[in-house]
Amino acid sequence: GDSVTQMEGPVTLSEEAFLTINCTYTATGYPSLFWYVQYPGEGLQLLLKATKADDKGSNKGFEATYRKETTSFHLEKGSVQVSDSAVYFCALSRRGGYQKVTFGIGTKLQVIP
Amino acid sequence: DGGITQSPKYLFRKEGQNVTLSCEQNLNHDAMYWYRQDPGQGLRLIYYSQIVNDFQKGDIAEGYSVSREKKESFPLTVTSAQKNPTAFYLCASSIQAPSTDTQYFGPGTRLTVL
Repeated sequence: GDSVTQMEGPVTLSEEAFLTINCTYTATGYPSLFWYVQYPGEGLQLLLKATKADDKGSNKGFEATYRKETTSFHLEKGSVQVSDSAVYFCALSRRGGYQKVTFGIGTKLQVIP
Repeated sequence: DGGITQSPKYLFRKEGQNVTLSCEQNLNHDAMYWYRQDPGQGLRLIYYSQIVNDFQKGDIAEGYSVSREKKESFPLTVTSAQKNPTAFYLCASSIQAPSTDTQYFGPGTRLTVL
């Protein structure tokens, strides 16, 4: 079955540092890939998505590229801020019919001033 | 503004009691979902509904029940049969169409069993 693997963290960075959160997946065919963000005490917000190989999703300075050859969708940001402190979930889904979403366990990011 | 609302934000339950968590959406989405979130386990699917008056069990449905009498509403009941109900519960919704695959989430309800 489908699966998503990401580090649990926490990942602790200083403000303005470069961020990478790794995400790899196992799935047949061509799923869509997502990053969701969860701020403390809140629900999940869609951060970015990519629907086919070599697509790059981007939003709020975050980027991730759908790499079919390495089955990866790593999240990156060039300069993190304290306000980026949150839990980040990598996920995959399939279009049409019942849209089963498979989530990773979430990576907690702490950005210190 | 369109969105998904969940209530209450915090809920306390005594052992042996049933409680119902509310989820309402005004996005005109066909499908709705309930997830449970526990530390270190990500999100696990409890139930989902693709159309009104129809719903399916997810991966961890035991001890839970749902109804879908209206397109906008998908309440979740946590019954006394659920052995470990303390968790953060998230409701989501999506359009049911071949070209879409994105789920949108509500703010969540934190349930604590006393």
